[in-house]
Parts: sequence; C-alpha cells; structure tokens
Amino acid sequence: QVQLQESGPGLVKPSGTLSLTCAVSGGSISGSNWWTWVRQPPGKGLEWIGEIYHSGSTNYNPSLKSRVTISVDKSKNQFSLKLSSVTAADTAVYYCARVGATPYYFDYWGQGTLVTVSS
Amino acid sequence: QSVLTQPPSVSAAPGQKVTISCSGSSSNIGNNHVSWYQQLPGTAPKLLIYENNKRPSGIPDRFSGSKSGTSATLGITGLQTGDEADYYCGTWDSSLSAVVFGGGTKLTVL
Repeated sequence: QVQLQESGPGLVKPSGTLSLTCAVSGGSISGSNWWTWVRQPPGKGLEWIGEIYHSGSTNYNPSLKSRVTISVDKSKNQFSLKLSSVTAADTAVYYCARVGATPYYFDYWGQGTLVTVSS
Repeated sequence: QSVLTQPPSVSAAPGQKVTISCSGSSSNIGNNHVSWYQQLPGTAPKLLIYENNKRPSGIPDRFSGSKSGTSATLGITGLQTGDEADYYCGTWDSSLSAVVFGGGTKLTVL
C-alpha cells in the first residue's frame, strides 16, 4: 500500500518561499507513475499545482508556473515543492498524491499539511 | 469560478439515491477521462471513480460514474450517513494544459 506524507513549515512570511517535501513509502518513486501536488485554500476547492516524473520531467499549472518548482530525490524516495513570492492567497492545505496509470486521476494522497502565509 | 461546474449541494434521505453532475466543455470532459473524489470532513480527498466509470479496489458498487458528451455524473445509491462529504470531479483541460476540478458538491444525508 503506497503511503505519502507531507512535511515542511506551517508558516511562511509574505514574499517568502514555501517549501514542502512528500515522502513516499510502500512503493518506489522510480516506477511508472507521475507524482503531483494539489492545494486547497480553507473552505474552497481543489487546485492542481503540478507534477513530476522520476526522470525529472515536470508539468506545471500555467497559473502558477512562474513561481513553482517541483523536484525529485530518488535516493530518498521523495519529491518536493517550492512556491516563491507567496502571498496570503497561497494559504492552503497542500496535498501530495500519486498520479494513476492513465491521465489524469490521483489514486493515493497524503494527509495534507496546512501552510499559512502571514507575517 | 471553477472550469467544471457542479451543484454546490445535494441532499437525500438514508437509503435513497442521489446524483451529482459535473459540466464542462470539449476541451476537458468532452475529450478526456473524468475522475471523482470524496472528501470527508477534515480529511484528504479519496479516489472514488476513475476513467469515467471505474472503481478502485475497495470502493463499493453503490458508487458509479458515467459520462456523456461534455458532462459527467456521479451516482450514489443506498445512501448512508457516512457518505456525507464533499465530492469533486476532475479531468485534464487541453486548452489550459492543466488538471481542473469542479467546485465541489456538499452531500447531506438527511
């Protein structure tokens, strides 16, 4: 059973950079699946951030592309998210997930981590 | 304003059936598979339906999905109080080059 666990600071200052890591267990990040980040502002819906393959190939949501970097560390079986120049609008629960065998569905999710942007 | 349109809320009595609609366009639902997610209060989304109508292992057959043209529908039969949750549809949008979701539908089991 694949499990994902997000970690990182719960508070980030405005104009700073949000950094999160997703540790994958019960499966290899170097398999045939892509890996993704999704966020959910408090009381609102889901927003796709982007995805990465173990080769390092990435796809980003055009609405966030200028500020997002997703990277992978195969040796640690984890992948990471960096979001720069954050504002209060970036306050959200951030989820990491595995992309299914065919595009686009997400079959395993982490529990999520709340990141608040505030001074 | 979400790219995919869902009703904000639906309700039905225990044991009854409910359907949740998800409306899109040719750039998303019309030409791509749809998935559905259940989000219980305070928890992460859970995959219910993928590729329009397939259920992952462990999802009861009370949950079903269908797609016609640019719309998709999630059906839930034999409603239980434990089904009270937010439900989201999702798919790829070829024009936006992004995964898009509906705004979510809150299901109340009266």
